[in-house]
Amino acid sequence: DVKVTQSSRYLVKRTGEKVFLECVQDMDHENMFWYRQDPGLGLRLIYFSYDVKMKEKGDIPEGYSVSREKKERFSLILESASTNQTSMYLCASSSGTSGRRSGELFFGEGSRLTVL
Amino acid sequence: KNEVEQSPQNLTAQEGEFITINCSYSVGISALHWLQQHPGGGIVSLFMLSSGKKKHGRLIATINIQEKHSSLHITASHPRDSAVYICAVSPNTGNQFYFGTGTSLTVIP
Repeated sequence: DVKVTQSSRYLVKRTGEKVFLECVQDMDHENMFWYRQDPGLGLRLIYFSYDVKMKEKGDIPEGYSVSREKKERFSLILESASTNQTSMYLCASSSGTSGRRSGELFFGEGSRLTVL
Repeated sequence: KNEVEQSPQNLTAQEGEFITINCSYSVGISALHWLQQHPGGGIVSLFMLSSGKKKHGRLIATINIQEKHSSLHITASHPRDSAVYICAVSPNTGNQFYFGTGTSLTVIP
């Protein structure tokens, strides 16, 4: 069974703390994505990566950074968490490279982050 | 800018009813995806289609590329179909996806 696994389902952090969210996929997908999901706003793209060590900013990258050192792992980092980063964070992956259409999209279970 | 628009935003149906959710998009695409998210749950892919029609049990997805429109139909709806249904597209250029804001479906027994 194919999988996208996120490291933590629920996290509670304090303002100013550094937060790491990890995502691992076992499908050898080129593309990996980090989204946040907020009521009424739908899914918003934070960052995505189309290859190891490659990253592209999405719609709302401010306050976030990412790391992709291995093909299967894509990490989201909040350098200094703030209360407005309280949200559900979803990792996803898909096959496909530039010039070849993206395949099916697979999501992790999500990480619900609360920043106090 | 909204590359993907869904309607309706909210939908309540009686068990057994036939349900249709619509999705319109404004960009050239290589594929369209229908996703499902149950309350408190993760997002799962229901369909990926680039032409015609696909069927999976009681769910049917259709796409009209010329009109840039897709529909998701649920026949003989059941309370377990209650979920948010999200339309997403893979544009012709780039590796990103564009998402609709979702349709929240409640099926009453």
